[in-house]
Amino acid sequence: NAGVTQTPKFQVLKTGQSMTLQCAQDMNHEYMSWYRQDPGMGLRLIHYSVGAGITDQGEVPNGYNVSRSTTEDFPLRLLSAAPSQTSVYFCASSYRRQGTIVDTQYFGPGTRLTVL
Amino acid sequence: LAKTTQPISMDSYEGQEVNITCSHNNIATNDYITWYQQFPSQGPRFIIQGYKTKVTNEVASLFIPADRKSSTLSLPRVSLSDTAVYYCLVGDMPSRDDKIIFGKGTRLHILP
Repeated sequence: NAGVTQTPKFQVLKTGQSMTLQCAQDMNHEYMSWYRQDPGMGLRLIHYSVGAGITDQGEVPNGYNVSRSTTEDFPLRLLSAAPSQTSVYFCASSYRRQGTIVDTQYFGPGTRLTVL
Repeated sequence: LAKTTQPISMDSYEGQEVNITCSHNNIATNDYITWYQQFPSQGPRFIIQGYKTKVTNEVASLFIPADRKSSTLSLPRVSLSDTAVYYCLVGDMPSRDDKIIFGKGTRLHILP
């Protein structure tokens, strides 16, 4: 299994440009999410999805769109990039099984984005 | 997820035991306590999870008192490679509102 993969690893954008960060997992996980991490800070949840066709907002959703057309893929779209969106972006996935067992999150390697 | 409070940063020396405590006064009956570790330039990874008393694996131990309002992650005989950010999460994932919030974590710095 490749686990959680993210592309690209690095990206530089100019203010106003749009782009899509790709995230894919091959573990058949229902739950997927996107986080951003600014220097010296913790992780902040952007958007998440509990299954194909279902998405919801996290702590900092403004300026980002997501969709979940398949179980495997969860792309994050920046509509009009701003310098404030310079950050490292992590995608994560997990099972979403009911019951008393709490499923762990598996993280991708991250995408380092700079907006000039 | 229940709100958690943990120290912003800690320093320790190689070979010592490090204990990081997390407070979670509003923990619910069904909540588990989970710790993640994040090395620089990497995504977080699962370390350990527990519900009550003590859990031990090859990486760490997790101590949970009877009232479950706090927990302590214990790293035995740390090395420089244990320098990382450690996150404490409390919830019954899939959580009641399905949001998994990590917070700022504890930045552990191991000195030679």
